[in-house]
Amino acid sequence: DAGVIQSPRHEVTEMGQEVTLRCKPISGHDYLFWYRQTMMRGLELLIYFNNNVPIDDSGMPEDRFSAKMPNASFSTLKIQPSEPRDSAVYFCASSSTGGKAFFGQGTRLTVV
Amino acid sequence: TQLLEQSPQFLSIQEGENLTVYCNSSSVFSSLQWYRQEPGEGPVLLVTVVTGGEVKKLKRLTFQFGDARKDSSLHITAAQTGDTGLYLCAGAVLVGQNFVFGPGTRLSVLP
Repeated sequence: DAGVIQSPRHEVTEMGQEVTLRCKPISGHDYLFWYRQTMMRGLELLIYFNNNVPIDDSGMPEDRFSAKMPNASFSTLKIQPSEPRDSAVYFCASSSTGGKAFFGQGTRLTVV
Repeated sequence: TQLLEQSPQFLSIQEGENLTVYCNSSSVFSSLQWYRQEPGEGPVLLVTVVTGGEVKKLKRLTFQFGDARKDSSLHITAAQTGDTGLYLCAGAVLVGQNFVFGPGTRLSVLP
């Protein structure tokens, strides 16, 4: 398996624009997690899904952030409108029930 | 405030030296994990500890979970340049709960 695949690897966008981050989890994994990593706040859980259903979105910063998982092999994290303080590395991770989590390589987002 | 504190925040050592990094909390954890994250990559799980006092070894890395399950340490023997990275601990208070990450220790091993 190729592991968790995230795209794009890098994204630079202007303030106010919509940003969509994509994730393909490892086949067979039933949990999917979205994290954000910054120097100031470290690695923070934003939201996680179980069997494509959002379970806990309490980590989502505000209404500008939304996440979907239309099927078991794809998830998106959308920021609309984006702000400079959203600049961070966003990670997607997947796991099977009781199994270890595997992280993707991340998307480095810069909002100017 | 962080649920998990890690120390030191930064550590720079010479190849061949030994080192220990720490993960501490006032909370009791049902399980605790250690990850290593290399630049430009996602974190990779190294170990999970679940029993107070548990010691696990992974080649030159030794992980210990405190007796009270509130703290953990990672000891590296004869560090190599390939050990360079960000070491993160993550704890789950309840079984089945999501893991909360500490801020990490950034290790640099110089040749």
